[in-house]
Amino acid sequence: EAGVAQSPRYKIIEKRQSVAFWCNPISGHATLYWYQQILGQGPKLLIQFQNNGVVDDSQLPKDRFSAERLKGVDSTLKIQPAKLEDSAVYLCASSPWAGVAGELFFGEGSRLTVL
Amino acid sequence: GNSVTQMEGPVTLSEEAFLTINCTYTATGYPSLFWYVQYPGEGLQLLLKATKADDKGSNKGFEATYRKETTSFHLEKGSVQVSDSAVYFCALTAQGAQKLVFGQGTRLTINP
Repeated sequence: EAGVAQSPRYKIIEKRQSVAFWCNPISGHATLYWYQQILGQGPKLLIQFQNNGVVDDSQLPKDRFSAERLKGVDSTLKIQPAKLEDSAVYLCASSPWAGVAGELFFGEGSRLTVL
Repeated sequence: GNSVTQMEGPVTLSEEAFLTINCTYTATGYPSLFWYVQYPGEGLQLLLKATKADDKGSNKGFEATYRKETTSFHLEKGSVQVSDSAVYFCALTAQGAQKLVFGQGTRLTINP
């Protein structure tokens, strides 16, 4: 079974530029999450989708971050304009509809460096 | 709000040593508790879980017991190996919720 795919793995941009990250969850998984992991900290949830609807985006900085999940499969997370403090690893995770709450399957992450 | 606190790292041990990584939590009701592990160059993966008080989760020689009276979920292993070197995250989901709340992580290095 293929795991959660993310791209790009690494991205370096200047502040005020924009960047987009892509995630393809495990086939059939209804729930998709984006987490932000700053160096030395635990992952923090940015947004949770159930199919293509948003369940929780309370910690998403909506003035600069946006995310969508078209057709309830792939998802894209965008940052525009980027700030220095956005340097982090962006993790995508998915879980099945009937899965145990908290059992998430994570991708390898996309590491963003903002200069 | 819900939160998880882990012992400060990094932790360095010799092979075959006994391991304990402390984890305590704050949550209302009856959360589910998890340990996730991140090996070098890999994504986070679930190591073990416990969904109710006094449950013991176990996997790959690691164990953790859900202690509601002390709000703790300490990770233990009797004899660590070099291959256990990784970052370990304690996490919880609040009762009725799917969102994982993570601790800050503990980096473990095992020397041969």
